[in-house]
Amino acid sequence: QLQLQESGPGLVKPSETLSLTCTVSGGSISSSSYYWGWIRQPPGKGLEWIGSMYYSGSTYYNPSLKSRVTITVDTSKNQFSLKLSSVTAADTAVYYCARHIFRGGGWNWFDPWGQGTLVTVSS
Amino acid sequence: QSALTQPASVSGSPGQSITISCTGTSSDVGSYNLVSWYQQHPGKAPKLMIYEVSKRPSGVSNRFSGSKSGNTASLTISGLQAEDEADYYCCSYAGSSTHVVFGGGTKLTVL
Repeated sequence: QLQLQESGPGLVKPSETLSLTCTVSGGSISSSSYYWGWIRQPPGKGLEWIGSMYYSGSTYYNPSLKSRVTITVDTSKNQFSLKLSSVTAADTAVYYCARHIFRGGGWNWFDPWGQGTLVTVSS
Repeated sequence: QSALTQPASVSGSPGQSITISCTGTSSDVGSYNLVSWYQQHPGKAPKLMIYEVSKRPSGVSNRFSGSKSGNTASLTISGLQAEDEADYYCCSYAGSSTHVVFGGGTKLTVL
């Protein structure tokens, strides 16, 4: 059974870079059928797609965050990572990683999801 | 402000049916049959309930169904149960530039 687990600092200072890692178990991140994505949810608010990537390194980002986001992969560790630069309090959120399906000519569903990790931006 | 519009809340009694709408535009919901729905209980990760407008993943109750008409997708839950009380989010493909958009979420209360 495929499982994903986020990890990283729970507190980041304003203007610094948020860094999170998602470890995939029960399956290979190098599978040719799947992409891998990050989604966030500010406290009490809705979901926002951050970006997704393929194991080959191809990346796709939310246009509103593109200038600050980098998603990378480490296939040897079966992990992919998120970096979000120049963070502010507005970036405080629960960050989820998930497998992202591209099928039917476009981005399709997210499944499964990691449990999520809360990142607070504060000095 | 979310790209897809959902009602903030809906409610129903056990055994009843409810429908949650998800309104987008001709650039997202209206152009692609790539709408998915997620259920989120408090403090938990979202769970996939419907994909490609109306398909149910293995293990999801057939009380959950999806449909689409024009720029609006809908999630219907029949035979409401207490365990269905949760937040529900729709998601759609939005083309090769915007990629993915979510709705703002709907809180379902089972009375």
